[in-house]
Amino acid sequence: SAVISQKPSRDICQRGTSLTIQCQVDSQVTMMFWYRQQPGQSLTLIATANQGSEATYESGFVIDKFPISRPNLTFSTLTVSNMSPEDSSIYLCSVEEHTDTQYFGPGTRLTVL
Amino acid sequence: AQKVTQAQTEISVVEKEDVTLDCVYETRDTTYYLFWYKQPPSGELVFLIRRNSFDEQNEISGRYSWNFQKSTSSFNFTITASQVVDSAVYFCALSPRRSASKIIFGSGTRLSIRP
Repeated sequence: SAVISQKPSRDICQRGTSLTIQCQVDSQVTMMFWYRQQPGQSLTLIATANQGSEATYESGFVIDKFPISRPNLTFSTLTVSNMSPEDSSIYLCSVEEHTDTQYFGPGTRLTVL
Repeated sequence: AQKVTQAQTEISVVEKEDVTLDCVYETRDTTYYLFWYKQPPSGELVFLIRRNSFDEQNEISGRYSWNFQKSTSSFNFTITASQVVDSAVYFCALSPRRSASKIIFGSGTRLSIRP
């Protein structure tokens, strides 16, 4: 399976600021996704990162709050904008390979004060 | 509606005991995938297994085994001779084949293995 890395691995941010999370894959993949996992909760899909076009957001998530870039087939970024303590979560990127299976990055643990 | 239920929120067993994690799913699709993922304290999500809805054969991988029963819509996961390193949150998940990118996760079961 593809090797996925995320930066930063964790961060502590102040309310009202923004953080950009990077996801890098060691091979070209068609499908990349961003998930949020709030403390003690399951994973929720934020959006599908489309290469060369705007991301596809799930219900409850908007581009102004979570802008996503996908400049090529190996890289994507997720920005968490105007953060509040409620945004404290683990953010994970994933890729789907030809086996219709999603593999996940190590996650970014975000704490907003 | 698509739904995955993991009724066991937390399980704690002593090392070397066998433990079964339950997973019940709901879907109207006839073709779908079922998954199990492991999330250790480090936070990464580790893929364990994918099962196609047409393949009801049980699978064994070392100390891990999975029992898929369409008749009861269940996909249970058993760890034999548990070890402390098995301590993690385990997620069962469902993906309809017509939209394989949409994974519906269960709420997870936190497994603690005591030495």
